[in-house]
Amino acid sequence: NAGVTQTPKFRILKIGQSMTLQCTQDMNHNYMYWYRQDPGMGLKLIYYSVGAGITDKGEVPNGYNVSRSTTEDFPLRLELAAPSQTSVYFCAGRDSGPLGGYTFGSGTRLTVV
Amino acid sequence: RKEVEQDPGPFNVPEGATVAFNCTYSNSASQSFFWYRQDCRKEPKLLMSVYSSGNEDGRFTAQLNRASQYISLLIRDSKLSDSATYLCVVNTNAGKSTFGDGTTLTVKP
Repeated sequence: NAGVTQTPKFRILKIGQSMTLQCTQDMNHNYMYWYRQDPGMGLKLIYYSVGAGITDKGEVPNGYNVSRSTTEDFPLRLELAAPSQTSVYFCAGRDSGPLGGYTFGSGTRLTVV
Repeated sequence: RKEVEQDPGPFNVPEGATVAFNCTYSNSASQSFFWYRQDCRKEPKLLMSVYSSGNEDGRFTAQLNRASQYISLLIRDSKLSDSATYLCVVNTNAGKSTFGDGTTLTVKP
C-alpha cells in the first residue's frame, strides 16, 4: 500500500525555471493538501482540495498553482521559481470529516539557485 | 496571536524522564485534535488523536481541555528514540487544519 507518493524527492532549479511537483495517493482521500516547510519552521498551507475539480488557496499560494482532475492526483506547479521558494514541500491526504488524520508524502526538497 | 501555539522548546531531558508539552488554540469551534511526530528531515506522522476524555497509548497520554482551549501530551519513561519534533494539529472548519510550529524534544543518555 503506497499511501501518498511524491516525486521527485530532490530538485535544484534555476531562478525563473518552472516545474511540477507530483503527488498521487491510493487511499481514496477526498482531501489533499500541499504544505511547505522552511528550515526550523512549521508547516504552511499552500493549496488544498476537498475533491476532484475543487481547489482553494491556503496561507501562502503566491507563485504556485494546483489542479485536481482526479481523486488520486494533486500536482503542484511552480512558475518562475524564486529563491524564496527554496523549501521542503509535503503533499498530504486525509479523509473528509473532522476526525480525519493526515497521511503525508515523504517530501520534495527544492532548492532554487 | 497564532491560531495554534506550542511551547517553543527545545526540551532536553534524560532517558527515563517524564516530559509534557502543551498546545493552546484560539478557535472555540475547533472540532478535533491530534499530535504528530516529525523526525529530522522527514514527513510528519500521526502519533495520536486527542479525545475529550483523554487517551493513552503506552507511554503517551493526551489530554484535551475545551474550557481552557488547550491540549497536552505527556511522555513517560522517555527513550532516546522519542527525540523528535512534536506538532499539535487542530481541525477547524471543513477541509482545513492548523498546525503548530512544533516543540523539539531531545532525550539524552
